[in-house]
Amino acid sequence: QVQLVESGGGLVKPGGSLRLSCAASGFTFSDYYMSWIRQAPGKGLEWVSYISGDGSIIHYADSVKGRFSVSRDNSKNSLSLQMNSLRGEDSALYYCVREAGHSGYDALDHWGQGTLVTVSS
Amino acid sequence: AIQMTQSPSSLSASVGDTVTITCRASQGIRYELGWYQQRPGKAPELLISSASTLHSGVPSRFFGSGSGTDFTLTISGLQPEDFATYYCLQDYNYPRTFGPGTKVEVK
Repeated sequence: QVQLVESGGGLVKPGGSLRLSCAASGFTFSDYYMSWIRQAPGKGLEWVSYISGDGSIIHYADSVKGRFSVSRDNSKNSLSLQMNSLRGEDSALYYCVREAGHSGYDALDHWGQGTLVTVSS
Repeated sequence: AIQMTQSPSSLSASVGDTVTITCRASQGIRYELGWYQQRPGKAPELLISSASTLHSGVPSRFFGSGSGTDFTLTISGLQPEDFATYYCLQDYNYPRTFGPGTKVEVK
């Protein structure tokens, strides 16, 4: 079965950096577009970033553009999110999510359990 | 970016009730919309894609409809496990945008 397991969250000071990882299993990882979605405590869902199966197509939310960088290693079935210049408003639970199809414009059919990022001095 | 709105923001209902949630896009998105359920402390789960396609394993009491700018999610015969927050998400373009959510609470 599809499994997505995030790691790398934690407490970081404003201006600091953190790298999130997502280990995928149960499907052919390289065939699927992957996204990062976040949810601040008690708030709604926010799409953060997306990467195509071969890594050639990448999009970011304006709120993280220039600070976050998404990448993937298909040989290791791994997705990463490098987060730099972190701000308080980046504090959230970060979900690793698989897109259902192969077009990049599909629903999000599998979600990890999330990893918590807290940005605070 | 396309703005998504949802109404109501919350509603109170009883087991067995039928509830309807509305999602509106700031511009036409054809039928490129999904609905997600999030139970407290859990990750969201896909209910419906392409506005009306029930995701595998989702009970048939969930029904999605709409196209263009106006969409609805109807839950017929509310069950205890359906008390949750529901989000719509447009799949039409980037940046992807979610609605603010509708919380379905026990009356």
